[in-house]
Amino acid sequence: DSGVTQTPKHLITATGQRVTLRCSPRSGDLSVYWYQQSLDQGLQFLIQYYNGEERAKGNILERFSAQQFPDLHSELNLSSLELGDSALYFCASSVSTGQSSGNTIYFGEGSWLTVV
Amino acid sequence: AQKITQTQPGMFVQEKEAVTLDCTYDTSDPSYGLFWYKQPSSGEMIFLIYQGSYDQQNATEGRYSLNFQKARKSANLVISASQLGDSAMYFCAMRERNSGNTPLVFGKGTRLSVIA
Repeated sequence: DSGVTQTPKHLITATGQRVTLRCSPRSGDLSVYWYQQSLDQGLQFLIQYYNGEERAKGNILERFSAQQFPDLHSELNLSSLELGDSALYFCASSVSTGQSSGNTIYFGEGSWLTVV
Repeated sequence: AQKITQTQPGMFVQEKEAVTLDCTYDTSDPSYGLFWYKQPSSGEMIFLIYQGSYDQQNATEGRYSLNFQKARKSANLVISASQLGDSAMYFCAMRERNSGNTPLVFGKGTRLSVIA
């Protein structure tokens, strides 16, 4: 158990819909990262938050948004869903932004999203 | 430009034998961290081992060791005494420090199958 909690574990929804994925980081971790894993794109970094503020942005679509709340949990909102958004979405956390490149990033079990 | 290269899409190893999974990386940042993660069929991403660019010794964690050759920019994972439970996808990842504490960048992974 990594200590990173993601809900829901599985989600099936229709095209055009909106879903919210939730993440609780490990106790004490201030940084939260979102990754998307699909068969054709591999593991893609989406966005990073540190203590409530956006710190880095990756290949995140405009239809997607995220935020980190004062209690440090984070939500990833996916809207106007398309079939190609079907993927495994990971949340991960680490202690800091990584001033030390050794700050290990721990992953949750992921949220499987299927868009039909 | 691809920063992490894993050239072995799939590998087979006999139970109790050792296996090496290859990883090469590309960075101009003198300070970076290299990570290996294991992803079993259930989907979770499990942290295995970390190597810092300034570490003098190769990292070891139980049956896992990292063969770090800095001049060749390689960070191969060695699994000793393979077990059936080692069958999984293995990802090499890198995090740069001086370029703004970047999130992890992953390779495409190697699927390891352990044969009884």
